[in-house]
Amino acid sequence: GAVVSQHPSRVICKSGTSVKIECRSLDFQATTMFWYRQFPKQSLMLMATSNEGSKATYEQGVEKDKFLINHASLTLSTLTVTSAHPEDSSFYICSAPSGWGEGYNEQFFGPGTRLTVL
Amino acid sequence: AQKVTQAQTEISVVEKEDVTLDCVYETRDTTYYLFWYKQPPSGELVFLIRRNSFDEQNEISGRYSWNFQKSTSSFNFTITASQVVDSAVYFCALSEEPETSGSRLTFGEGTQLTVNP
Repeated sequence: GAVVSQHPSRVICKSGTSVKIECRSLDFQATTMFWYRQFPKQSLMLMATSNEGSKATYEQGVEKDKFLINHASLTLSTLTVTSAHPEDSSFYICSAPSGWGEGYNEQFFGPGTRLTVL
Repeated sequence: AQKVTQAQTEISVVEKEDVTLDCVYETRDTTYYLFWYKQPPSGELVFLIRRNSFDEQNEISGRYSWNFQKSTSSFNFTITASQVVDSAVYFCALSEEPETSGSRLTFGEGTQLTVNP
């Protein structure tokens, strides 16, 4: 079946640094990818929709300049947390649907990246 | 806007008990999809089931069963003869019209299920 990978799986960084998280669709092309954030013991909240070749669409309340998204190719989207602070510590999960359009497009989730900002 | 409610934050049962996880949803779309995911401590989401809004048939898969009722906007999940390995957080989720949403999901708050030996 289709696989979505994330790298790194876990990262610890100092406050003020930037962290890049990669999301790759390994055996299918994804013109769209979704980035979710999950705080401890909470639900997954959609942060943004990453669009290949165009700007990402951010959900209300998500800072565009804080969370930079680049969808450089049909198999790769990156999320960069800029000037990370302890409150950005969270579990970040990406997902990629196998298509877009009429009917349901199977969606595949990455294994997640656990970010800890000291 | 769509919304998914899982009123049970935590459930604790003893092994071999049956347990039902509740899910209530809200949407204005006539075409939508409902899901259940399992999230073990590792964090990786495990897909359990997808149902579309036009298929109200209940489904059984081994010890798992799902009861979809459009009349009450509910999509409940029952584990029969629970096992310790069933301990995890379970999420119910909703995806609206794929042509506009691209299959993005709205998740419920999750239910932490603990099965004790």
